[in-house]
Amino acid sequence: DAGVIQSPRHEVTEMGQEVTLRCKPISGHDYLFWYRQTMMRGLELLIYFNNNVPIDDSGMPEDRFSAKMPNASFSTLKIQPSEPRDSAVYFCASSRYGELFFGEGSRLTVL
Amino acid sequence: DAKTTQPPSMDCAEGRAANLPCNHSTISGNEYVYWYRQIHSQGPQYIIHGLKNNETNEMASLIITEDRKSSTLILPHATLRDTAVYYCIVRVAGQGGSEKLVFGKGTKLTVNP
Repeated sequence: DAGVIQSPRHEVTEMGQEVTLRCKPISGHDYLFWYRQTMMRGLELLIYFNNNVPIDDSGMPEDRFSAKMPNASFSTLKIQPSEPRDSAVYFCASSRYGELFFGEGSRLTVL
Repeated sequence: DAKTTQPPSMDCAEGRAANLPCNHSTISGNEYVYWYRQIHSQGPQYIIHGLKNNETNEMASLIITEDRKSSTLILPHATLRDTAVYYCIVRVAGQGGSEKLVFGKGTKLTVNP
């Protein structure tokens, strides 16, 4: 298996622009997680899904952030409008039996 | 989920065993101890987990004290590639196995030549 695939790997955008991050989980995994990592706050859980249904979105910072999982093989995290403080590495992870497999992350820079 | 306490940093000589401690004094009876590591710029990687018995796999050994209030991750022969941040996490493994995983600050392990 190719593992968890995230795109884009790097994104540089200007404040106010919409950003969409994408994730393809490992086939057969029924949980999908979105994390954000910064130097100041470390790894933060934003939201997670079970069988494509959002279970806990308490970590989503504000209404500018939204996440969807239209099917078992695809998820998106959208930021609209983006702000400089959203600059971070965003990780997607999937799981089936408790062990999380992480993607390589999407590094977002908002100017 | 119970909180964990880890030293912020540790050093280890290449080829020697690296012993990474973790305190989790408020752990509940149904909470597991998980260890992950994150090599610079990569996504976190699962290492091992256990409930109350010691566990070993191809990467490491996990020693959990009898009262379960602390544990030690052991890398038996550390290499330079083991330089990473190591996270100790306690969580309930629900039916199906996945509940949210909350990361702390971890221990930055530096393996020196």
